[in-house]
Amino acid sequence: NAGVTQTPKFQVLKTGQSMTLQCAQDMNHEYMSWYRQDPGMGLRLIHYSVGAGITDQGEVPNGYNVSRSTTEDFPLRLLSAAPSQTSVYFCASNSGAGGELFFGEGSRLTVL
Amino acid sequence: GENVEQHPSTLSVQEGDSAVIKCTYSDSASNYFPWYKQELGKRPQLIIDIRSNVGEKKDQRIAVTLNKTAKHFSLHITETQPEDSAVYFCAARDDGGYNKLIFGAGTRLAVHP
Repeated sequence: NAGVTQTPKFQVLKTGQSMTLQCAQDMNHEYMSWYRQDPGMGLRLIHYSVGAGITDQGEVPNGYNVSRSTTEDFPLRLLSAAPSQTSVYFCASNSGAGGELFFGEGSRLTVL
Repeated sequence: GENVEQHPSTLSVQEGDSAVIKCTYSDSASNYFPWYKQELGKRPQLIIDIRSNVGEKKDQRIAVTLNKTAKHFSLHITETQPEDSAVYFCAARDDGGYNKLIFGAGTRLAVHP
């Protein structure tokens, strides 16, 4: 039981490049979400999903796209990376309303 | 939407002292309040949570209190140990909504031997 798995762990991009952060969970959780963590700003919600085929915006969605074609996977796409997107990204999942949020190990992204 | 404020941003205590971290939230519909601990370079992990039908919850050296009228909740750590050094995040969620867990900015706790 791996829990929440994120790849890659580290990535360096140039401004304007695109990439996808992968996230998979094997706990059969309905809910998945993406957060970014910046110094002094805590964890800010980017996008979330309450089930396959359903996604919605969080606090800071601009510049990011998501999709949820299966229960297990919730990729985060940066279509045109900007230096302001330099951050540590965490994927998380939980079993439903009130369920504990389980985080992946994080992905450190640097945009030059 | 929900907004969570957390204070202080940094906290330094001597080993054996108590530590208190406070959070306020804005959405009166929020009814679930977890606390997460993040050690350096690691992922956040849940340490304790409380729901709006409870005023206080304890787990060994950790306790959380909730005042729904004032919309604030606090984390209390007693008999602090060096391994308690970490960043602590509070959060709030409306379980009747769409599972949006909103976090505070975090408190960096340093426990000095």
